[in-house]
Amino acid sequence: QSALTQPASVSGSPGQSITISCTGTSSDVGGYNYVSWYQHHPGKAPKLVIYDVSNRPSGVPDRFSGSKSGSTASLTISGLQAEDEADYYCSSYTSNSKGVFGGGTKVTVL
Amino acid sequence: EVQLVESGGGLVQPGRSLRLSCAASGFTFDHSAMHWVRQAPGKGLEWVSGISWNSASIGYADSVKGRFTVSRDNAKNSLYLQMNSLRPEDTAFYYCAKAVGFMYYFDYWGHGTLVTVSS
Repeated sequence: QSALTQPASVSGSPGQSITISCTGTSSDVGGYNYVSWYQHHPGKAPKLVIYDVSNRPSGVPDRFSGSKSGSTASLTISGLQAEDEADYYCSSYTSNSKGVFGGGTKVTVL
Repeated sequence: EVQLVESGGGLVQPGRSLRLSCAASGFTFDHSAMHWVRQAPGKGLEWVSGISWNSASIGYADSVKGRFTVSRDNAKNSLYLQMNSLRPEDTAFYYCAKAVGFMYYFDYWGHGTLVTVSS
């Protein structure tokens, strides 16, 4: 199972919006509405921020939103804040029941 | 509060074995699928293995199949990863994660345990 494709880095100023893309195939992202996104600060446990393409777990700010079109999913962070600086990973359910993650995107708040 | 605490990591020589454990609390462990995910230094997350609530469904990444064995003890609320024939490329932080469904998404993660494979 090949990794999903994400940009290596995205940056924005406080208050701006950024979008991270996650491209897969019809066997993963394009075939199921089970795309999830994780925030990972180095040295900490990864944290779920979006599940089932566009749902936010309790406690995740509403400035985090998700969407999907075809085989590409997206995570948007609106009103960027300093604490949002982290690595972000997408993941998808797959047709072969093996886990797959994107390569990760480093978000920098300028 | 959900807690997942990994243990068992350390420095090991290539070709040797290591067993990781994950102690779970704060949720109904025997109703949940569990997984191992790793992150090598400077790399991204990589799914390693997963096991259903009743151990009936088990899966492995191609990179570890035949060398790693996942298991669980529902009576002890514990998840395990037996790692044999370790290679330098297995060096990573190993995280255990609770899944929704078998693998729809991972809603809780541990802080990880570091495995270093080196002579």
